[in-house]
Amino acid sequence: AQKVTQAQTEISVVEKEDVTLDCVYETRDTTYYLFWYKQPPSGELVFLIRRNSFDEQNEISGRYSWNFQKSTSSFNFTITASQVVDSAVYFCALSEDNNAGNMLTFGGGTRLMVKP
Amino acid sequence: KAGVTQTPRYLIKTRGQQVTLSCSPISGHRSVSWYQQTPGQGLQFLFEYFSETQRNKGNFPGRFSGRQFSNSRSEMNVSTLELGDSALYLCASSLTGTGVADTQYFGPGTRLTVL
Repeated sequence: AQKVTQAQTEISVVEKEDVTLDCVYETRDTTYYLFWYKQPPSGELVFLIRRNSFDEQNEISGRYSWNFQKSTSSFNFTITASQVVDSAVYFCALSEDNNAGNMLTFGGGTRLMVKP
Repeated sequence: KAGVTQTPRYLIKTRGQQVTLSCSPISGHRSVSWYQQTPGQGLQFLFEYFSETQRNKGNFPGRFSGRQFSNSRSEMNVSTLELGDSALYLCASSLTGTGVADTQYFGPGTRLTVL
């Protein structure tokens, strides 16, 4: 069975600090997909990034970067120079590649509070 | 392109009643999934519809059901409401979902309160 663990339930930083959100996953499949979503107070889940299990290349997009390591089953997310607008709950999610269709398994989420 | 829309945004019901929630996917998307979000259980998968067929179902009682129409719009129904059904219900759409994990795009959710 697939499982996603986000050990950090809440993180508080001061604006302009860098912050890393941890995500550890479990799956028996060799082909799978990992996602990060952001949930601001409005409630809508906003898609941030998707990675497949064969692509371990780390990615940087503006102030965001992601570190995918299959050896440790981790898919961590870093925000550089955090801003107040980054305050939200961040979810890591896993989907296995099978013929049963789409199903995301989410971690418990990490609430990030960025203080001015 | 318009995003995923969900109606209504807020609902208040009493125990024993039933409720129907509606979801319109992004234009061209054929797969619709539903998730329940509660403080205690987090985000949990309810079911997924593709081409008017339920393709996958989470671990929820039969009181939770859904359907998808030919235009890909979807509805979910909860019968005999219980206090524990109070939650944010999120709908997500994806392009095809044909055995490959498409990216799912979420709507704003329907917040259901059961009194």
